[in-house]
Amino acid sequence: EDKVVQSPLSLVVHEGDTVTLNCSYEVTNFRSLLWYKQEKKAPTFLFMLTSSGIEKKSGRLSSILDKKELFSILNITATQTGDSAVYLCAVSNSGGSNYKLTFGKGTLLTVNP
Amino acid sequence: SQTIHQWPATLVQPVGSPLSLECTVEGTSNPNLYWYRQAAGRGLQLLFYSVGIGQISSEVPQNLSASRPQDRQFILSSKKLLLSDSGFYLCAWSVLRVSGYTFGSGTRLTVV
Repeated sequence: EDKVVQSPLSLVVHEGDTVTLNCSYEVTNFRSLLWYKQEKKAPTFLFMLTSSGIEKKSGRLSSILDKKELFSILNITATQTGDSAVYLCAVSNSGGSNYKLTFGKGTLLTVNP
Repeated sequence: SQTIHQWPATLVQPVGSPLSLECTVEGTSNPNLYWYRQAAGRGLQLLFYSVGIGQISSEVPQNLSASRPQDRQFILSSKKLLLSDSGFYLCAWSVLRVSGYTFGSGTRLTVV
């Protein structure tokens, strides 16, 4: 059974701080790892990672994957209150046509002014 | 462009009542469709997925069922709701494996 573990479960920081969120996984026939941001409602897509060591970057957010050690990190620099959300990590396997994602429980990030 | 619609946004239902949540996708053909449940604001649990009309796979045994009567329509149902069915239900679709999921806006169900 595929498994995703995120840490920490929650985190409180002040504006301007840099945070690192962690995601470790176990999956049969790994295909990709994805990061989502969830505020009030639907998760919104941040990154998809398929190759080790290649950093994906979008503004103050960046992410990298280590397929040997089976983990990924999501970095947020110069945090803002608008970064407060639950950050979800998910993995997919390459089995068949069903393309299912297995999600972790998420990290609740609170950025205080 | 592709869009996904999910309704209603919130629902309060008594124990033992039926349930029907609907999800429709526009702007794409033959999508994979999914129903997830999220309890206590964390972790998404896959309930059902469908790779085509009439094709439903269930991930966990439960009090719910799903149907796909049309290519871009996915329905989550229950004949008799339980208190434990409360949660945030999310519909999602994917076409290309390289693009991840796109989620609907979700339905917050409270069973009382």
